[in-house]
Amino acid sequence: QVQLVESGGGVVQPGWSLRLSCAASGFTFSSSVIHWVRQTPGKGLEWVAVISSDGSNKYYADSVKGRFTLSRDNSKNTLYLQMNSLRPEDTAVYYCAREMAAHQHFDYWGQGTLVTVSS
Amino acid sequence: EIVMTQSPATLSVSPGERATLSCRASQSVSSKLAWYQQKPGQAPRLLIYGASTRATGIPARFSGSGSGTEFTLTISSLQSEDFAVYYCQQYNDWYTFGQGTKLEIK
Repeated sequence: QVQLVESGGGVVQPGWSLRLSCAASGFTFSSSVIHWVRQTPGKGLEWVAVISSDGSNKYYADSVKGRFTLSRDNSKNTLYLQMNSLRPEDTAVYYCAREMAAHQHFDYWGQGTLVTVSS
Repeated sequence: EIVMTQSPATLSVSPGERATLSCRASQSVSSKLAWYQQKPGQAPRLLIYGASTRATGIPARFSGSGSGTEFTLTISSLQSEDFAVYYCQQYNDWYTFGQGTKLEIK
């Protein structure tokens, strides 16, 4: 079955960096577009970024552009979200989600990893 | 940015009754609208995409309708496992979500 498992969350201070991972199984990862979405009690669900199946195209929300970087290793079925210059407003549960083939919505989501940015 | 507005924020319904949730887009999203269900401590689960197509394994009591800027999710006969928070999402112009409707037991 399709599985996405996020890891790497934690508590960091403002200005610090963190790298999240999303490990995939149960489907052809190298053919799949993957997104990151974050969720906070205050702002709800917010789309963060997307990476194409081969990693050649990446797009980011304005709120994270220039600070977050997506990459993927298709040989390891793993996606990475490098988060630099973290701010308190980046505090959220971060989910990776698969984009359904030939569509643009998200058909499977991981369980999420919590990132807390606080001094 | 397309703003998605869901109503009501909270809906109280008795088991066995019908629930109707609304989602409005600030501009047309065609039929590029999905609905997700989220229970506490869990990730969102896809229910409906393309405004009206049920995702794999979703019971027939869930149905979606609408196009353009007005959308509806209907749950025909509420089961205990249906009480959760529901989000709409547009994917016509990047991706934005509604703020959610909490469906609670009356």
